Amino acid sequence: AQSVTQLGSHVSVSEGALVLLRCNYSSSVPPYLFWYVQYPNQGLQLLLKYTTGATLVKGINGFEAEFKKSETSFHLTKPSAHMSDAAEYFCAVSGLGGGADGLTFGKGTHLIIQP
Amino acid sequence: DTGVSQNPRHKITKRGQNVTFRCDPISEHNRLYWYRQTLGQGPEFLTYFQNEAQLEKSRLLSDRFSAERPKGSFSTLEIQRTEQGDSAMYLCASSPLRSPNTEAFFGQGTRLTVV
Repeated sequence: AQSVTQLGSHVSVSEGALVLLRCNYSSSVPPYLFWYVQYPNQGLQLLLKYTTGATLVKGINGFEAEFKKSETSFHLTKPSAHMSDAAEYFCAVSGLGGGADGLTFGKGTHLIIQP
Repeated sequence: DTGVSQNPRHKITKRGQNVTFRCDPISEHNRLYWYRQTLGQGPEFLTYFQNEAQLEKSRLLSDRFSAERPKGSFSTLEIQRTEQGDSAMYLCASSPLRSPNTEAFFGQGTRLTVV
């Protein structure tokens, strides 16, 4: 069975500071990993994904994440936070089979940006 | 707009009533997913279609829930005899049929409130 753990339901950083959102997963098969962002009363927008190949993945809005198999982690980072980054962030995992199982999501991390 | 479209955006219903939601996926996407998201939680997988065939259903999908995707285009999710516990955001997502796994594109969701 697959599962996703996001450490910290709320993370607060100052504008311009480093953003680090933590995600650990468990999967019985090589995982495909995703980060999604959700703004209030909106659907989910993909930030970035890891399928195969390079373990450091770059996404939209300056975000990146590194897949570390030994640590079963896929933490999301951004060097300098912007006020517009305030949102809910979800880490998700899917197994082989092209999404037939659907995505398994973490509970989310609410990112707060302090001016 | 060629994204995933969901209607209605909001629905308030009395307990015991039936409700139906509609999802129009991106036109060339073969796969369609339904998720449920409750307050403070990540989305939870409900069911999955490949073209018109419903290939997988979560144990979360009780017998009061039914989903269809006639002709492999739009999909409907019906909840019969609604209960207060059904109050949630219902998200639809679609993705193309190709490998490796690619991201699912989400609609803005239908927020259901059962009173």
